[in-house]
Amino acid sequence: AQTVTQSQPEMSVQEAETVTLSCTYDTSESDYYLFWYKQPPSRQMILVIRQEAYKQQNATENRFSVNFQKAAKSFSLKISDSQLGDAAMYFCAYRILYGGATNKLIFGTGTLLAVQP
Amino acid sequence: DAGITQSPRHKVTETGTPVTLRCHQTENHRYMYWYRQDPGHGLRLIHYSYGVKDTDKGEVSDGYSVSRSKTEDFLLTLESATSSQTSVYFCAISDSVRSAGANNEQFFGPGTRLTVL
Repeated sequence: AQTVTQSQPEMSVQEAETVTLSCTYDTSESDYYLFWYKQPPSRQMILVIRQEAYKQQNATENRFSVNFQKAAKSFSLKISDSQLGDAAMYFCAYRILYGGATNKLIFGTGTLLAVQP
Repeated sequence: DAGITQSPRHKVTETGTPVTLRCHQTENHRYMYWYRQDPGHGLRLIHYSYGVKDTDKGEVSDGYSVSRSKTEDFLLTLESATSSQTSVYFCAISDSVRSAGANNEQFFGPGTRLTVL
């Protein structure tokens, strides 16, 4: 069974600094997606970034980038130039590439990020 | 933003009472999902639907049932609510499970906070 592990329940970063959130996963599949979702206090789940496992290049979205290490089954999120609006719970999630009707996401337990002014 | 609404947004009920949560979408997406979010667990799949009248169980389906009589509506029912079902419930939708890329993404509703006393 696939699992996703986020070992940092809470993190803190100074405004304008860089922070890295860790995620590891376990799967026997070779083709899959990995995601980082942001959940601010409003509870809305917002997709931050997506990585296809068959792509070697790390995904980047503005100040957000990932370090995808397929052999190590590691998928960390780097937030550069942190802003107060980045404060949120961040979830790492996994989905098999072609999951049939299920297409379900498997989530980690989340990392609560605080941004200090 | 994807057109997904959930109702009610907040509900307090008593143990043993039936509860129905509604997810409504205006995107005409085929796939719909119900997740629950609990501290220390992230989000976990309860049930999902791959078409009108086509539903199946997720990993935490005990005590829940679902129905989908129209493309746009996916109902989650707690036949007899228990305190262990106190949680935040999220609905999600997806257009496709077969192709890679953005149209495979799951979009989440705003969530429903349910408290069972």
